[in-house]
Amino acid sequence: KQEVTQIPAALSVPEGENLVLNCSFTDSAIYNLQWFRQDPGKGLTSLLLIQSSQREQTSGRLNASLDKSSGRSTLYIAASQPGDSATYLCAVNTDKLIFGTGTRLQVFP
Amino acid sequence: DARVTQTPRHKVTEMGQEVTMRCQPILGHNTVFWYRQTMMQGLELLAYFRNRAPLDDSGMPKDRFSAEMPDATLATLKIQPSEPRDSAVYFCASGLPPTVLYTFGSGTRLTVV
Repeated sequence: KQEVTQIPAALSVPEGENLVLNCSFTDSAIYNLQWFRQDPGKGLTSLLLIQSSQREQTSGRLNASLDKSSGRSTLYIAASQPGDSATYLCAVNTDKLIFGTGTRLQVFP
Repeated sequence: DARVTQTPRHKVTEMGQEVTMRCQPILGHNTVFWYRQTMMQGLELLAYFRNRAPLDDSGMPKDRFSAEMPDATLATLKIQPSEPRDSAVYFCASGLPPTVLYTFGSGTRLTVV
């Protein structure tokens, strides 16, 4: 059974720091991996999609990497801002999306 | 921007009542998911469909939950009878695998009293 874990569970940092959020999964047989953002009381917004054949995807200040063989993905946020405060979720696609437990990020001014 | 539409946004109902939640996927997407989110369990997959056919509903309590896609523009999730432990936010998502991002609706916040 696929299990997805995210660490840390929560993170509080001052504005301007570069951040690394981690996602690990137990079964490397995935089609792709997707990172989402969720603001309190809101739905999920897709940030990045990495296909299983890719190593990296970038969007603005966000960079996601994927090491399928070791079952790991990393979301790198450069120069964090208070507007980045949200919960970040990774999900692996094994034909169905299996979500991690999330990292709650707070960036303070 | 194309979006997944869920109705209602909020629902408060009494224990034992029937609840129906609706989802309109993005036109052209062939895969639809239903998830439930709670503080304790996070996002749990309840059921999903491809080309309107149910592929997996193992995450759903079969005795009270049912999910259907009567046509390509509508997915429904029904709870009968509802119980207080069903209180959660229910999300619908649609996509066109393997390349199209999955898009989530805004959710239905269900409270069963």
